[in-house]
Amino acid sequence: DAGVIQSPRHEVTEMGQEVTLRCKPISGHDYLFWYRQTMMRGLELLIYFNNNVPIDDSGMPEDRFSAKMPNASFSTLKIQPSEPRDSAVYFCASSSQDSASDEQYFGPGTRLTVT
Amino acid sequence: DQQVKQNSPSLSVQEGRISILNCDYTNSMFDYFLWYKKYPAEGPTFLISISSIKDKNEDGRFTVFLNKSAKHLSLHIVPSQPGDSAVYFCAASAGGGSNYKLTFGKGTLLTVNP
Repeated sequence: DAGVIQSPRHEVTEMGQEVTLRCKPISGHDYLFWYRQTMMRGLELLIYFNNNVPIDDSGMPEDRFSAKMPNASFSTLKIQPSEPRDSAVYFCASSSQDSASDEQYFGPGTRLTVT
Repeated sequence: DQQVKQNSPSLSVQEGRISILNCDYTNSMFDYFLWYKKYPAEGPTFLISISSIKDKNEDGRFTVFLNKSAKHLSLHIVPSQPGDSAVYFCAASAGGGSNYKLTFGKGTLLTVNP
């Protein structure tokens, strides 16, 4: 298995622009998580889905952030409009309730820089 | 309010010696704890976990200890190897497993010197 796939790996954009981050979870996994890592706040959960349905979005910082999971193999995190304080590394992770190994598998992350 | 705290931003140890990474938590509802390891430019990878019904879990060179009364857990690595040099994150969940919301600490950078 290729693991969790995220694209792009790096994104540089100007303030005010729309940014879309993409994630392909591990096939068969029914949970998908979006995290953000910053120096100030560490690794924080933004939102997670179970069977494509958002379960907890309390970590989404504000209305500029939105996430979708149209099917079991794809999710997006969108920021519109982007601001410099959104600069961070964004991770996607997936897991399976049926897995004998109880862990979340993380993707390599997308490093976002908003200038 | 940080519910999971890793008070040591960094730790340096000699190869072959023991590395002890510490983590404190404040939320009494947490019942499952995990350690993740992260190398630069990669995502975190799962290392070891422990349920609140246990006080110790061991996997090879890695052992996690849980002290519920003190709301404290620690990760012991024995013997430490240069390849263990990475950032270690402590995480906790209140759902009985990792298929739920995980709250992470800010991480401890471990450097193992040859």
